[in-house]
Amino acid sequence: DTEVTQTPKHLVMGMTNKKSLKCEQHMGHRAMYWYKQKAKKPPELMFVYSYEKLSINESVPSRFSPECPNSSLLNLHLHALQPEDSALYLCASSHPARTGVESTGELFFGEGSRLTVL
Amino acid sequence: DAKTTQPPSMDCAEGRAANLPCNHSTISGNEYVYWYRQIHSQGPQYIIHGLKNNETNEMASLIITEDRKSSTLILPHATLRDTAVYYCIVRAYFNTNAGKSTFGDGTTLTVKP
Repeated sequence: DTEVTQTPKHLVMGMTNKKSLKCEQHMGHRAMYWYKQKAKKPPELMFVYSYEKLSINESVPSRFSPECPNSSLLNLHLHALQPEDSALYLCASSHPARTGVESTGELFFGEGSRLTVL
Repeated sequence: DAKTTQPPSMDCAEGRAANLPCNHSTISGNEYVYWYRQIHSQGPQYIIHGLKNNETNEMASLIITEDRKSSTLILPHATLRDTAVYYCIVRAYFNTNAGKSTFGDGTTLTVKP
């Protein structure tokens, strides 16, 4: 299984709603990532989890709250978002360094969750 | 992580080789060069990576200059399905945490019949 599964594929929410994006992988990867991608722009890194601990937060506003409940799951909790937060949210996973695992270090991406904030 | 520079767009005739350049003049010794591509509205897909030697796999070849300041991704026989945005990333994979993969603006490759 070399897939990263993201749900939902599409989400429309109001500015006062609370919703969550979910990401799941069963490749034994211990590093997981959230990226945000606006139209015609490259993906921008938001968060990195390594061994279920948050290791990188790229100064993301607190209305985005990541959670890594176990090594296979990554959530992104959304609250009080703005219309400019509308974007494609991509999840990725990889082997972190020095795991003793033979790996090429590449990121495996899901297909993304397209978020529209009204 | 080092910054990369790529041309914004390139065209290639179907069946011909597509050569996509990337400049990474500030790359440091422990940073690898990775290439990904993103077909419209899909997640990025890994293509190939290398440190200093040239690499080849079933999808592409990667040529890295001796000074490691630039590289070229080669798709030997481009097809219409290779039309995508191609991203070159440099990343210090072997560090103590998962590390960053920072995407530059990429090159939009259009393969034409």
